[in-house]
Amino acid sequence: EAEVAQSPRYKITEKSQAVAFWCDPISGHATLYWYRQILGQGPELLVQFQDESVVDDSQLPKDRFSAERLKGVDSTLKIQPAELGDSAMYLCASAPGRSYGYTFGSGTRLTVV
Amino acid sequence: KQEVTQIPAALSVPEGENLVLNCSFTDSAIYNLQWFRQDPGKGLTSLLLIQSSQREQTSGRLNASLDKSSGRSTLYIAASQPGDSATYLCAVRGRKTSYDKVIFGPGTSLSVIP
Repeated sequence: EAEVAQSPRYKITEKSQAVAFWCDPISGHATLYWYRQILGQGPELLVQFQDESVVDDSQLPKDRFSAERLKGVDSTLKIQPAELGDSAMYLCASAPGRSYGYTFGSGTRLTVV
Repeated sequence: KQEVTQIPAALSVPEGENLVLNCSFTDSAIYNLQWFRQDPGKGLTSLLLIQSSQREQTSGRLNASLDKSSGRSTLYIAASQPGDSATYLCAVRGRKTSYDKVIFGPGTSLSVIP
């Protein structure tokens, strides 16, 4: 069964350092999402791509977060500088279209110390 | 603005019981609703997807229903097992914007006691 690949699985970084996460969606899925999930809460959308274009980044803290999907396939989410409050699970998901469900990756657990 | 809530926040039941998890949403203009399971520290696993034109979906011991007019969905788990212990989240995909927007509920944490 096709999977959404994410790396790394775990990341510990010091405050003010830069950190990056990678996601490879299921082949052929045009829509890619990055979510942040704080412990005990539901996932919150950070950014949504349709192919290589950003269609929603209204919840992305743009002063420190950036996301790209240059060729409309895999994607990178970057945080610079990291803050203590960024500690969370970062989840990537993809879907072939709006009538279809999401498939999530295993996520990256970020701890900022 | 779409808001999604889930009741109860936590639930503990003895093994073998049938149980119902609830998901409510405020805006009935949706494409679909999806139920997920999340084990501690892991990603989300899709359980069931219900399109807006459907009333229910079934997979094994799981049955999900959708009542758009009342803004409710339920996930029914039959004959619960300890392996069902996890957090269950519902996600609603809205249809009012030019692109789909999905809002998650906060989840229900389920513990099935052997």
